[in-house]
Amino acid sequence: LAKTTQPISMDSYEGQEVNITCSHNNIATNDYITWYQQFPSQGPRFIIQGYKTKVTNEVASLFIPADRKSSTLSLPRVSLSDTAVYYCLVGDTGRRALTFGSGTRLQVQP
Amino acid sequence: KAGVTQTPRYLIKTRGQQVTLSCSPISGHRSVSWYQQTPGQGLQFLFEYFSETQRNKGNFPGRFSGRQFSNSRSEMNVSTLELGDSALYLCASSLEPGTVYEQYFGPGTRLTVT
Repeated sequence: LAKTTQPISMDSYEGQEVNITCSHNNIATNDYITWYQQFPSQGPRFIIQGYKTKVTNEVASLFIPADRKSSTLSLPRVSLSDTAVYYCLVGDTGRRALTFGSGTRLQVQP
Repeated sequence: KAGVTQTPRYLIKTRGQQVTLSCSPISGHRSVSWYQQTPGQGLQFLFEYFSETQRNKGNFPGRFSGRQFSNSRSEMNVSTLELGDSALYLCASSLEPGTVYEQYFGPGTRLTVT
C-alpha cells in the first residue's frame, strides 16, 4: 500500500486559503486519494476523494497532478473551526488503508 | 439517519483483563472497520469486516480480535490487556469495504488500562 507523507503542522489566519500537500510516490493504478478531518476527541470525518485532476465539493478542492504522486487539499477562506488534523489516505476498492499516517495539524488563528 | 454508535464510551480495565467493545454501524452499511488511536502511533487500522467475514487486518497481535454479526453490528475483543493498549478505539462503517467508500466514524471508546 502506498505510504503517504504530509507536513506535521501548518498555521494560517482566518479568511486565508490553505493548501496541504500529501506525497504518495508509490501510488498504484487502482488507488484513490481520500482526505479526512479530525477534531479532538472525535472520529475522523470524510472531506473529499479523488482519482485524478481536480475534485471540488462544498468544503474543499482536491488537486491531483497527472503523475498522481502527490495531491493537494485546498481549503478556501478558513475559519477558526477549521483547526483540526487533516489526514491523507491512499488505497483502492479492495483494501482498506492500514494507517492514516500522522496527519497535518492545522492551526487557524484570528 | 442515526450515526455510528459505540459502547461503552469510557472504560477502565486492569492489566491482564479482557475487554469487549461494541459498534453499531449506520443503517444499510455492511462494512465495519476498527482503528486504534494513540498519541504516539496515531490512527492505526485494526481490521475490517464485511458480511461477517474479516477482509483486512492490520499489524496487531492476536490478542486483538473481532467479529461481525448478521445485522452488521461488530464487536472487538482485546485479551490479556497491557498498559500500551490504552487508547481511543474508533469504529467506522461504510456501504462497502475498501478505501474508495467513505467511512463514517463513531465517537470512539476511550480505554484506559491500569
